[in-house]
Amino acid sequence: GAVVSQHPSWVICKSGTSVKIECRSLDFQATTMFWYRQFPKQSLMLMATSNEGSKATYEQGVEKDKFLINHASLTLSTLTVTSAHPEDSSFYICSARKLEGSAYEQYFGPGTRLTVT
Amino acid sequence: GQNIDQPTEMTATEGAIVQINCTYQTSGFNGLFWYQQHAGEAPTFLSYNVLDGLEEKGRFSSFLSRSKGYSYLLLKELQMKDSASYLCAPHDSNYQLIWGAGTKLIIKP
Repeated sequence: GAVVSQHPSWVICKSGTSVKIECRSLDFQATTMFWYRQFPKQSLMLMATSNEGSKATYEQGVEKDKFLINHASLTLSTLTVTSAHPEDSSFYICSARKLEGSAYEQYFGPGTRLTVT
Repeated sequence: GQNIDQPTEMTATEGAIVQINCTYQTSGFNGLFWYQQHAGEAPTFLSYNVLDGLEEKGRFSSFLSRSKGYSYLLLKELQMKDSASYLCAPHDSNYQLIWGAGTKLIIKP
């Protein structure tokens, strides 16, 4: 199997502050990690693709300066929500890609629930 | 464009069988994942199809027809814990997954 952890699992912060979320692949190395956001009763929305040692690729409409992604090692990617506002309150999920046989599978972290007050 | 079509909600009885259908239109299709997502939790991997046909994994099976842009997930011997959303996620050659809203499955005793 493959295990991906996220920290913290939930966080409450005040409007205007920054929050850092960590995503770790615990038992495998992941050159590629993905960051998603999911609002209640909606589908997963890909925010960005994080590649180890290079800049993240952001999806259209996602602000690079607001959602800072750093993939400094093969087992860790971080998402920092800068100057958070209530509309940033959401469920943030990371996933890590692992080669299984001849195909890649995505393993998801447990998610981080962010509430901005 | 890219589009995924799944029923919004389905209801089934404990112990029964249910089939969740998924049709998709995607550019550069290369394979399709099925994930299970319980409320408030992240998705967990169920199955993966790249070739036409049926993949069986215990109580869960998934079928793919590339020419028809169609897949289904079959759940047998339903248990109450199977109540969740089921996400059909096709991907392109870069393994970029495309997510729909999923099918909410409600299991009744």
